[in-house]
Amino acid sequence: AQKITQTQPGMFVQEKEAVTLDCTYDTSDQSYGLFWYKQPSSGEMIFLIYQGSYDEQNATEGRYSLNFQKARKSANLVISASQLGDSAMYFCAMREGTGSARQLTFGSGTQLTVLP
Amino acid sequence: DAGVIQSPRHEVTEMGQEVTLRCKPISGHNSLFWYRQTMMRGLELLIYFNNNVPIDDSGMPEDRFSAKMPNASFSTLKIQPSEPRDSAVYFCASRDTGRWDYGYTFGSGTRLTVV
Repeated sequence: AQKITQTQPGMFVQEKEAVTLDCTYDTSDQSYGLFWYKQPSSGEMIFLIYQGSYDEQNATEGRYSLNFQKARKSANLVISASQLGDSAMYFCAMREGTGSARQLTFGSGTQLTVLP
Repeated sequence: DAGVIQSPRHEVTEMGQEVTLRCKPISGHNSLFWYRQTMMRGLELLIYFNNNVPIDDSGMPEDRFSAKMPNASFSTLKIQPSEPRDSAVYFCASRDTGRWDYGYTFGSGTRLTVV
């Protein structure tokens, strides 16, 4: 089974509007972390936001917020007031369990296009 | 902070040649990860190290791939012999495992083309 599922291959949003990118995950661990990364056309991977499984409040970082619904195993990224520079591929990722070193498992990504 | 440094940025090589990709993690980060990104398979983990020791290499495609981390500031990923299907972007990432809330920092990637 897929550990991270992003069901929206592509999304369009009007500039200045808000947009939600979906992410669901599958794990049997109680302790895990959820991450979102942005990959613009230049190719680098940019860390956006992190949510820990024990965090009671949704994470926020500037215009980014993470809508964490633990019972539904979803961790959607909300971008408020979209800008043209937000056009990029967005990846949801998960780190499972505890321990000194754990890898990230990535979803297939959502290509976001912001329209002027 | 210079970030994670990968070299070369681009590599074009002929099938059968040896290719070596290099990575310098962020100073103080004790975990290092090699990922490969292709259109077909997305981002997949190849191998990762903790304190210079390989922890999980189950993602390494086959014996043609090898990775080393001789010290805390340097890692290599070698493909010998290279094949056209190895064409991909290879990312190195590092992380400070002492911080739970910190993301994994990725390098700019090496775009490998095997012709």
